[in-house]
Amino acid sequence: ILNVEQSPQSLHVQEGDSTNFTCSFPSSNFYALHWYRWETAKSPEALFVMTLNGDEKKKGRISATLNTKEGYSYLYIKGSQPEDSATYLCALENAGNNRKLIWGLGTSLAVNP
Amino acid sequence: DAGITQSPRYKITETGRQVTLMCHQTWSHSYMFWYRQDLGHGLRLIYYSAAADITDKGEVPDGYVVSRSKTENFPLTLESATRSQTSVYFCASRGLEGTYEQYFGPGTRLTVT
Repeated sequence: ILNVEQSPQSLHVQEGDSTNFTCSFPSSNFYALHWYRWETAKSPEALFVMTLNGDEKKKGRISATLNTKEGYSYLYIKGSQPEDSATYLCALENAGNNRKLIWGLGTSLAVNP
Repeated sequence: DAGITQSPRYKITETGRQVTLMCHQTWSHSYMFWYRQDLGHGLRLIYYSAAADITDKGEVPDGYVVSRSKTENFPLTLESATRSQTSVYFCASRGLEGTYEQYFGPGTRLTVT
């Protein structure tokens, strides 16, 4: 089984801090890298799906970059707010794998007001 | 309303009983997935389906059965529930082509006593 690794496992920041997390994945047979946001007691919601090396996507204060050659993606949150508190999951989609995702364990972010 | 729904949302059952978790989506998505979420394991794929009448095992299929007679429904059956199947179960769907994200249902919390 291919491993998708996320770091750190958890993070506590103060409101207004900027933060970033890492997702590492095996780059052979790469098709897409997904980022999801998962709030407590809710279900995961997609943030980004990235496919191209060097791709950078942004949604409000959240952005993500992708390096498929070295097998990593960064998720950045600028000026964290308490409502950003959630677990951020990344998932690898490999080519020819019937759209199955290989999930990381997530980074749990807590933003203190 | 359009979307992906799961029922029941909460279920308590006894060891040895059969229980079926329902998943329904209104987008006519080709792919559907069943995951379980347990502390320390993240999301683990139980079964998935690429289209009606096409299903395949995921990472942890033992003790579960699925069917997909219609595109919009993907029920998950625990044939003889065990305590180890106490978990939160998420159903997800996605479209056929492109880099579409997975859309998750609200989850079913199952307790096996």
